[in-house]
Amino acid sequence: IAGITQAPTSQILAAGRRMTLRCTQDMRHNAMYWYRQDLGLGLRLIHYSNTAGTTGKGEVPDGYSVSRANTDDFPLTLASAVPSQTSVYFCASSTGPGISGYNEQFFGPGTRLTVL
Amino acid sequence: SQQGEEDPQALSIQEGENATMNCSYKTSINNLQWYRQNSGRGLVHLILIRSNEREKHSGRLRVTLDTSKKSSSLLITASRAADTASYFCATGTASKLTFGTGTRLQVTL
Repeated sequence: IAGITQAPTSQILAAGRRMTLRCTQDMRHNAMYWYRQDLGLGLRLIHYSNTAGTTGKGEVPDGYSVSRANTDDFPLTLASAVPSQTSVYFCASSTGPGISGYNEQFFGPGTRLTVL
Repeated sequence: SQQGEEDPQALSIQEGENATMNCSYKTSINNLQWYRQNSGRGLVHLILIRSNEREKHSGRLRVTLDTSKKSSSLLITASRAADTASYFCATGTASKLTFGTGTRLQVTL
């Protein structure tokens, strides 16, 4: 593979259920990000990771958690999904340093999540 | 919170015409980036212009940056149907990259 892959492509989820969105990159980028994209609101940063073993909160972190056990994988977990988490979720990565805005970001194809 | 605001929100042109999109922002930046998003896909980086640069070209793309006015423009020359997409500006600082809400471009035959 080349770039970033996300799984699943789409998912319909009942409210209250737990869900993990998967993200894997093969570019050996240090920094990784999770965004949600909602109509009229653009992309909003949920969580980020500067490097393996570290994570941080973005603009809209509530209801979400992340982990970064290694360089390649950055899963996003919704512990108890709510309808307001219905959105399209994008994973992205960039070269260092950290999560500065100095470099371009590479995006995955997205996961369309519907919470009923 | 959005740092960049694109204008117009939507633009419809015919193939062969030029398309111009603008981005305004509020605070000092290190760079400004433009991304394209085709329907149902992730964002793709187009071009990055640093704060000490005024103009940059890449193929049919021309980007300008006016830091005194805190604004940037993206010009796509000789547009094609394949240019139909949403275009986002993103402002880069030491701590983050912040995306605007995008301009939806429709290129018709």
